[in-house]
Amino acid sequence: RKEVEQDPGPFNVPEGATVAFNCTYSNSASQSFFWYRQDCRKEPKLLMSVYSSGNEDGRFTAQLNRASQYISLLIRDSKLSDSATYLCAGYGGSQGNLIFGKGTKLSVKP
Amino acid sequence: EPEVTQTPSHQVTQMGQEVILRCVPISNHLYFYWYRQILGQKVEFLVSFYNNEISEKSEIFDDQFSVERPDGSNFTLKIRSTKLEDSAMYFCASSSGVLTNEKLFFGSGTQLSVL
Repeated sequence: RKEVEQDPGPFNVPEGATVAFNCTYSNSASQSFFWYRQDCRKEPKLLMSVYSSGNEDGRFTAQLNRASQYISLLIRDSKLSDSATYLCAGYGGSQGNLIFGKGTKLSVKP
Repeated sequence: EPEVTQTPSHQVTQMGQEVILRCVPISNHLYFYWYRQILGQKVEFLVSFYNNEISEKSEIFDDQFSVERPDGSNFTLKIRSTKLEDSAMYFCASSSGVLTNEKLFFGSGTQLSVL
């Protein structure tokens, strides 16, 4: 069974803090991984794709460790508006179905 | 930015009734998906659809579920006889290619409540 596991949190951090989330996956055949952001009762929105050794987009850095089968998301200088649930997802099937983790809740406090 | 639209935003139905959830994917996209999220649970894949046929479906997508692209723009999910456990947020999504290369765009969802 293909699974994606995340620490559910919540992570409560002050503004300006650096916070990191990890996600482990069980399907070693997965080629692509993604971080999504989901606000309460809203749709998931793609935050970053994670390929090969990872990538950076402004305050956000995603890393992929294939040997240990985990991906991470680092948020630097966190803002109040970063408060959301962060979902990691891996490509699970032959025609593009994503397998999501349950999400990690982040609350950034003033 | 182009978006996936879903209607209705909320649907309340009685157990045993049929419901149809509607979606308009992004116009030049070729791959269409339905996902669902039970309150407090993971976003779960239901089905993918390409070239007017189902490409892949999960074990959740049993005989009570069906999908259709009736007119070249709409993409529908039908639940034939709803159960209480079908209550969830249903998200439609589309992409221009398979997800190894292309990003997935989600609609804002239909909250289905089965009473």
